[in-house]
Amino acid sequence: GENVEQHPSTLSVQEGDSAVIKCTYSDSASNYFPWYKQELGKRPQLIIDIRSNVGEKKDQRIAVTLNKTAKHFSLHITETQPEDSAVYFCADWYTPLVFGKGTRLSVIA
Amino acid sequence: SQTIHQWPATLVQPVGSPLSLECTVEGTSNPNLYWYRQAAGRGLQLLFYSVGIGQISSEVPQNLSASRPQDRQFILSSKKLLLSDSGFYLCAWSPGTSGSNTGELFFGEGSRLTVL
Repeated sequence: GENVEQHPSTLSVQEGDSAVIKCTYSDSASNYFPWYKQELGKRPQLIIDIRSNVGEKKDQRIAVTLNKTAKHFSLHITETQPEDSAVYFCADWYTPLVFGKGTRLSVIA
Repeated sequence: SQTIHQWPATLVQPVGSPLSLECTVEGTSNPNLYWYRQAAGRGLQLLFYSVGIGQISSEVPQNLSASRPQDRQFILSSKKLLLSDSGFYLCAWSPGTSGSNTGELFFGEGSRLTVL
């Protein structure tokens, strides 16, 4: 079945620095890649997604890039703030959605 | 607008007792429905998903079962809970289009189960 690898599992950055989380997938037919943010004790919520017909998508301080040839996609957070601290999950919209194991991001003020 | 309700929010159950978690979706029809489990500090493990009434797919062998008695109702059950069943259970839905999976996944607020 489909497999999604996510790295790193934990990430600490200083406030104002950038954070990058990377995911790889195995099924070349995959065409939709969402990213979810889960704050402590809460439900995951979609923060950004990308479809396979584009290479990059931005939403303010958050961006996602996709490399279909290499079968990987990345989440970029610039000018990190303490409220960015959370667990981030990448996913591959296979059937059904397959999640990476998550990255715990800590932004240190 | 669409909403998803999941209950109870928290429960503490003894080993060997039964379990029933319920999830309902409002404002949409024929959704795809999912049950995920999240152990403490871990990722999202898909337990069951359903593309229609009475249609349940199980992703992992386990002590749990799921049912979909109505289009927008999804129930997670167990006859006898194990210690390893403790975790954070999340119901979710996505738009269903002729049984295919498209679009965003919307999660319920979760049910935290502690088995003692």
